[in-house]
Amino acid sequence: AQSVAQPEDQVNVAEGNPLTVKCTYSVSGNPYLFWYVQYPNRGLQFLLKYITGDNLVKGSYGFEAEFNKSQTSFHLKKPSALVSDSALYFCAVNTNAGKSTFGDGTTLTVKP
Amino acid sequence: EPEVTQTPSHQVTQMGQEVILRCVPISNHLYFYWYRQILGQKVEFLVSFYNNEISEKSEIFDDQFSVERPDGSNFTLKIRSTKLEDSAMYFCASTPFPEGNQPQHFGDGTRLSIL
Repeated sequence: AQSVAQPEDQVNVAEGNPLTVKCTYSVSGNPYLFWYVQYPNRGLQFLLKYITGDNLVKGSYGFEAEFNKSQTSFHLKKPSALVSDSALYFCAVNTNAGKSTFGDGTTLTVKP
Repeated sequence: EPEVTQTPSHQVTQMGQEVILRCVPISNHLYFYWYRQILGQKVEFLVSFYNNEISEKSEIFDDQFSVERPDGSNFTLKIRSTKLEDSAMYFCASTPFPEGNQPQHFGDGTRLSIL
């Protein structure tokens, strides 16, 4: 069975500072990894994915994520955080058939 | 950009009553999902649907739950006899194909409140 862990319930950063939201995964075979963002009273929005190829993937709104196979991690990063980045972030892994398993979510708060 | 739309945005129902949550997936998508999120926390898979039949379902999706694609556009989730613990946000999602490399496209959800 596949699983995803987000070890931090909450991440707080100051505006302009770099941010990292952590994710580790467990799958058999090659992973299909995703990051989603959820704003209040909204559905999840796709940010970026890793399927194969370069370990550093770039996505929407200046976010990027680094795939590390040896550490089974897929951490979300952004060089300079904005207050508007404050939201709930979910890491997910897909089965070959497309079913997603989500982590518990990390609340990111960016303070001015 | 095409969107997944869900209605109603909020549904209040008495315990024991039936409720139907409605979704219109993106028009050229073929694979549909329902997820549940309780109190803004973890997103839990309920069921996936492809080619007019259930592809996979979780242990949450018991006999009280059913899904249907009654026409070419709508995708519904029915809960036959609601319980207090069914109170949650229910999200519909769709993908073009049933493949692992496809991100999910989510609607904005229906907040279900059971009294």
